[in-house]
Formats: sequence, structure tokens, C-alpha cells
Amino acid sequence: NAGVTQTPKFQVLKTGQSMTLQCAQDMNHEYMSWYRQDPGMGLRLIHYSVGAGITDQGEVPNGYNVSRSTTEDFPLRLLSAAPSQTSVYFCASSRDGNTDTQYFGPGTRLTVL
Amino acid sequence: DQQVKQNSPSLSVQEGRISILNCDYTNSMFDYFLWYKKYPAEGPTFLISISSIKDKNEDGRFTVFLNKSAKHLSLHIVPSQPGDSAVYFCAASSSNGKLQFGAGTQVVVTP
Repeated sequence: NAGVTQTPKFQVLKTGQSMTLQCAQDMNHEYMSWYRQDPGMGLRLIHYSVGAGITDQGEVPNGYNVSRSTTEDFPLRLLSAAPSQTSVYFCASSRDGNTDTQYFGPGTRLTVL
Repeated sequence: DQQVKQNSPSLSVQEGRISILNCDYTNSMFDYFLWYKKYPAEGPTFLISISSIKDKNEDGRFTVFLNKSAKHLSLHIVPSQPGDSAVYFCAASSSNGKLQFGAGTQVVVTP
């Protein structure tokens, strides 16, 4: 199993550009989520999904969109990038939700100029 | 408002000695607590967890203690090894809530 994969590993955007961060898992997990990690802030939940077709907002959802058309994939879209979205983004999956062990991808380091 | 706090951003410990990492929380609805370990350029990996019905959980060199009345948990690593050098995140959740993480503690194990 590849586990949780994320692409790209690094990305530089200009303010106002849009892009999609890709996340895929091959463990047949129903629960997937996106976090951002900022210095001194830990990991903050952006959006999550409890299954295909179902998504919900986390702690810091503004400026991000998600969709879950399949169990395997959970892309994160930045609609109009801002410097405040410079961060490291982690995708995670688990079998049973937020009280179950989360398996994290390797992260995407995003810089918005 | 951070509901999970790790007040020590860093900890240096000698190889073979005990590492003690602390975590405080403010939400009394939290009933499940986890510790994750993170190496540079990698995603966090699960280390150990504890349910609020217990006050201690042990897994090899790692033990987590929970003091519900003080809203405090700690992670003990005994003995510390060079491979334990990493950032450790404390996390907490409630049955109908979302997982919340602390800011992390950087542990450096010196020879």
C-alpha cells in the first residue's frame, strides 16, 4: 500500500492564482481531512469528509474548497491564493473518523508571493 | 482560541534519560487524546493514544498519563534514543467534535 499520497511536494503561486492540491489514499478509508501547519499553531483542520459525496468545514475553511467524488481522492482547491495561505498542507485519512488513528501524507509546502 | 496547548516549544534531553512532554487542554468535552510524532519533510505519524476512561497507557518506551481533573496529559519516553528527535504533537477530540492539535514540542536527544 502506498498509504496517503500528496502532490505536488512544493508549489509557488502568485497572489490571486488558483490551484488544486491532490490527495489520494489506497486504504479504503472513509474519513479524510486536510490540515495546514503553521509555526506556533500546530495543525489546523481546514475541511474534512466522512465519505464520498459528504464534506464539511473545519476550523479554518475560508479560501478553500473540497469535494469527494470517490473514496480514494480528496482534492483541496485554493480559489484565489493569498500570502496568508503560505503554509504546509497535510492530507490525512482514517477508518472511523477523528477518534481513529489518522494516517498523514508527506505534505505540500505552498508559498504564495 | 487554542483548546490544546503545548507550552514548551522545545526540549533537549540526553540519550538514555527520560523525556517528559506536557500538554494542557481547556475543553472538558474532550474524551480521546493522541500523540503524533513528526520528522522533517514527513507527515505526522501516530504514536500513542488514551481514552478518558483511563489514566495511563503504555506502549514500549512510551507512556501517556492523563489527569482529567487538571486537564493535563503527558508523554514519557524512557529511555530516550537519538531516533526520538522529532516534533511531538498532542491532539484531542470529543465524540461529536473535530481533532484539535497543539503547537508541538521539538525534542532533541543528545549523545
